[in-house]
Amino acid sequence: GAVVSQHPSWVICKSGTSVKIECRSLDFQATTMFWYRQFPKQSLMLMATSNEGSKATYEQGVEKDKFLINHASLTLSTLTVTSAHPEDSSFYICSATPPNTYGYTFGSGTRLTVV
Amino acid sequence: AQSVTQPDIHITVSEGASLELRCNYSYGATPYLFWYVQSPGQGLQLLLKYFSGDTLVQGIKGFEAEFKRSQSSFNLRKPSVHWSDAAEYFCAVGSNTGNQFYFGTGTSLTVIP
Repeated sequence: GAVVSQHPSWVICKSGTSVKIECRSLDFQATTMFWYRQFPKQSLMLMATSNEGSKATYEQGVEKDKFLINHASLTLSTLTVTSAHPEDSSFYICSATPPNTYGYTFGSGTRLTVV
Repeated sequence: AQSVTQPDIHITVSEGASLELRCNYSYGATPYLFWYVQSPGQGLQLLLKYFSGDTLVQGIKGFEAEFKRSQSSFNLRKPSVHWSDAAEYFCAVGSNTGNQFYFGTGTSLTVIP
């Protein structure tokens, strides 16, 4: 079946540094990918929609300059958390929709801890 | 406004007992409904989905869900729970354009021996 791979699975970084998270569709092309954020014991909140070859669409309240999204190819979207702070610590998950299906395939998530 | 409500934050059941997780939705159009499961520290795995047709849908791992339009519900059921079913369960509703998803807040399932 369709697989979405996310890397890294977990990362610890110092406050003020930037962290890049990759989301790859392994066996299908994805013109659109989605980035979610999940705080402990809470549901997933859509952060942005990543569009191949164009700018991402951010949800209200999400800082586009802080969460940089690049979708340079049909199989890769990246989320860069710039100048990370402890409050950015969270679980980030990406998803994509394989062709001729409905519903999303999710990556395994990235646990970001900012110290 | 679109929303998904999972009334039960946490449920504990004995292994072998039956399970029902509740999900209610508010959606302005024909809903596409989903149930996902998330193990600790993991991503989401699709259990089942409903688009149209038979209102009782079968999923993986022995789960099923029933769509009841009159009650705006899509409850998840399993006749006999296994210890490995302990996880977080999310109900979600999506649009038929495929570009918007609304998740419930999740139900945490604990299975006791």
